[in-house]
Amino acid sequence: GAVVSQHPSWVICKSGTSVKIECRSLDFQATTMFWYRQFPKQSLMLMATSNEGSKATYEQGVEKDKFLINHASLTLSTLTVTSAHPEDSSFYICSALRQGVLGYTFGSGTRLTVV
Amino acid sequence: QKEVEQNSGPLSVPEGAIASLNCTYSDRGSQSFFWYRQYSGKSPELIMFIYSNGDKEDGRFTAQLNKASQYVSLLIRDSQPSDSATYLCAVNKGSQGNLIFGKGTKLSVKP
Repeated sequence: GAVVSQHPSWVICKSGTSVKIECRSLDFQATTMFWYRQFPKQSLMLMATSNEGSKATYEQGVEKDKFLINHASLTLSTLTVTSAHPEDSSFYICSALRQGVLGYTFGSGTRLTVV
Repeated sequence: QKEVEQNSGPLSVPEGAIASLNCTYSDRGSQSFFWYRQYSGKSPELIMFIYSNGDKEDGRFTAQLNKASQYVSLLIRDSQPSDSATYLCAVNKGSQGNLIFGKGTKLSVKP
């Protein structure tokens, strides 16, 4: 089955630093990947849609200069949280869409804590 | 009106009972409907998807879709304590679109 690997699973960083999260599709090519954020007891909120070889599409209210998305290959998308602040602490999850297959495969998520 | 609405629960059922989870959506253009299960601190895992009106069964799970009434439900038969989790309903407007999630219903199955 389709597997999406996400790293790191958790990270603690200091306020003002940047953190990169990687999402890899291991056994299929993902032309589209989605990045979600989930605060405690809240639902998943879509942050951006990442398309291979083109700029990401950000949802309203998501700062594209703060959350940098790169989808340079068909198997890798990265999300970089720049100048992180405590309010960015959240659970970040990527999801990949496999062409011709209904349903989306999620990565295992990254718990970010900014101190 | 929120795009996808679910009762947040918690829904508590005894072991062996049927758990019924409901979801309504606002966009009549929605085409595909998904149920995900999410354990605390974990990412969602797909249980079922449905895109045609009616019922779809997979083991102990049955998804029901009624496009005219804009609701989709998930029935879990013979509920087990391991089914205790938050169940997320998600819809999309096409095969390439992103998913819109509800807030989830927390299910608790008591031994």
